[in-house]
Amino acid sequence: SQQGEEDPQALSIQEGENATMNCSYKTSINNLQWYRQNSGRGLVHLILIRSNEREKHSGRLRVTLDTSKKSSSLLITASRAADTASYFCATDQGSYKLIFGSGTRLLVRP
Amino acid sequence: DTAVSQTPKYLVTQMGNDKSIKCEQNLGHDTMYWYKQDSKKFLKIMFSYNNKELIINETVPNRFSPKSPDKAHLNLHINSLELGDSAVYFCASSQEGQRNNEQFFGPGTRLTVL
Repeated sequence: SQQGEEDPQALSIQEGENATMNCSYKTSINNLQWYRQNSGRGLVHLILIRSNEREKHSGRLRVTLDTSKKSSSLLITASRAADTASYFCATDQGSYKLIFGSGTRLLVRP
Repeated sequence: DTAVSQTPKYLVTQMGNDKSIKCEQNLGHDTMYWYKQDSKKFLKIMFSYNNKELIINETVPNRFSPKSPDKAHLNLHINSLELGDSAVYFCASSQEGQRNNEQFFGPGTRLTVL
């Protein structure tokens, strides 16, 4: 399967704590992207990291990429209840196609 | 001023029927996509059109036929609906030529086949 793998599948943390999600993929990529999906909604793009980058920040988000291990992580710092959602990584392998991971369901308890 | 819109939001129908889902984007993008998200939340590309030309056609039953009347619209027609077609279908768009293939998603259409 081309599908990427994410772990954990589900994560429950207290508000204010940090949340870390991991993504592994199988083939070489142009870039890797993270998306958020709130319940019953479409996906929203969060952050993109190119294959020649190792770390990127955007607000409370920090993404790392290790192309030698074909893996990425998304760190959300100082989590809020509003961060409760599913988070997906997606790899851009060229040819317009994004391959999505299986997603991590994050629950942030108030 | 919705960027990517889909209609209908919910679709409940009987097996064997034919139905269509419409998608429109007002972002000026030239590439549009259809994805299927199953009950386990796996999201899989089905089709992609660039400037009204089909560029991605994954292994999808030929009961599914996309149609792009213009760059801003990509509709999905499904013939002879089956129980396994029940899922959430997402339309998305992006702009060719940008190195960052960021995609903008619609709100989804939840299809339930009875």
